[in-house]
Amino acid sequence: AQSVTQPDIHITVSEGASLELRCNYSYGATPYLFWYVQSPGQGLQLLLKYFSGDTLVQGIKGFEAEFKRSQSSFNLRKPSVHWSDAAEYFCAVGVAGKLVFGAGTILRVKS
Amino acid sequence: DTAVSQTPKYLVTQMGNDKSIKCEQNLGHDTMYWYKQDSKKFLKIMFSYNNKELIINETVPNRFSPKSPDKAHLNLHINSLELGDSAVYFCASSQDPGKQETQYFGPGTRLLVL
Repeated sequence: AQSVTQPDIHITVSEGASLELRCNYSYGATPYLFWYVQSPGQGLQLLLKYFSGDTLVQGIKGFEAEFKRSQSSFNLRKPSVHWSDAAEYFCAVGVAGKLVFGAGTILRVKS
Repeated sequence: DTAVSQTPKYLVTQMGNDKSIKCEQNLGHDTMYWYKQDSKKFLKIMFSYNNKELIINETVPNRFSPKSPDKAHLNLHINSLELGDSAVYFCASSQDPGKQETQYFGPGTRLLVL
């Protein structure tokens, strides 16, 4: 069955430091991969997506993600974190017309 | 302009009641979805409709009944509410599910069953 694993429940980084959020997926075919962000009490906003082509994709708010087929991973990165990035981040794989989500990673930013 | 809107934003009700949540999208999309986010923040699809036709129906109790009067609206009616129905319900829409296009989410409806 298709699944998405986000190994880190919480991550804390200092403002200005770099960030990497991990995501591993299990899916037999070429995956459609997404990262969404959810701020407290808010809905989900799409950060970026991978469908095909260049394995390094750029998103909004300075985020990028790299698709690595050999590792079944789609990790999210940002070179310099801002306090406003504190939120919960969800990785998802598109399967048969629906999104299968990971459990989410809560990002805390300390000043 | 809000792309995907939901009403109400908050809903507090007693066990056993019947309630509805409404969703509207103004993106011109053909497909709409309902997702449930439980207390542990885990998100899971419940239903999807394409052009008013049900195409995904996950293992959801039949107390939950989606209704799509037109392709811009997808409402969720819940009968005989239970404590375990407390969650955040998100509506989403996309253009073509077959192509796994991006799903755009509404702000969520926070349901608390007492």
